[in-house]
Amino acid sequence: LAKTTQPISMDSYEGQEVNITCSHNNIATNDYITWYQQFPSQGPRFIIQGYKTKVTNEVASLFIPADRKSSTLSLPRVSLSDTAVYYCLVGLGGQNFVFGPGTRLSVLP
Amino acid sequence: GAVVSQHPSRVICKSGTSVKIECRSLDFQATTMFWYRQFPKQSLMLMATSNEGSKATYEQGVEKDKFLINHASLTLSTLTVTSAHPEDSSFYICSATMTSGGETQYFGPGTRLLVL
Repeated sequence: LAKTTQPISMDSYEGQEVNITCSHNNIATNDYITWYQQFPSQGPRFIIQGYKTKVTNEVASLFIPADRKSSTLSLPRVSLSDTAVYYCLVGLGGQNFVFGPGTRLSVLP
Repeated sequence: GAVVSQHPSRVICKSGTSVKIECRSLDFQATTMFWYRQFPKQSLMLMATSNEGSKATYEQGVEKDKFLINHASLTLSTLTVTSAHPEDSSFYICSATMTSGGETQYFGPGTRLLVL
């Protein structure tokens, strides 16, 4: 099972860009990298997914180097409502998904 | 698109009773559905994987006779906690992948179970 490593917590201020890096040294060839956001007492919400290079959507960007052994979620100009736990997962279609402890992001005013 | 619902959102029951939780994919057909459990301040733990029309695959340490999973159609999976006890109190979350292009897993809103 692919295992990921992320910082346990991060603090930021409103309006700043936040980058959360995830290590996944044993990622398999067919694995995708997916990031989720979770608020208390809610299910995880899909943020972004990628396989290689860079992916951008309306809420975030995902940077994946050529060796795919890590990835970085970039949240532009965070707000208080972005305070949540962020999970990085690698796998295909949910198979082999192992949730690590995630990164608890606190956005301060 | 890709909405997953769960019912009920929260349930309180007496010890020894059984509780059924439904997970539905509202706007897509789900090849595979997953059931997770999450205790306070902890991460999600996969309990089982269910495929439509076949038996669920349980993770090590999860009692299949206690947590009955039925995946009767491509849009519905149910988790029944049988003879629930206080230690089963937790947040149960389901997720689903699409039949086609199933690289992404979509999660339901979760069900809070409290066993008294």
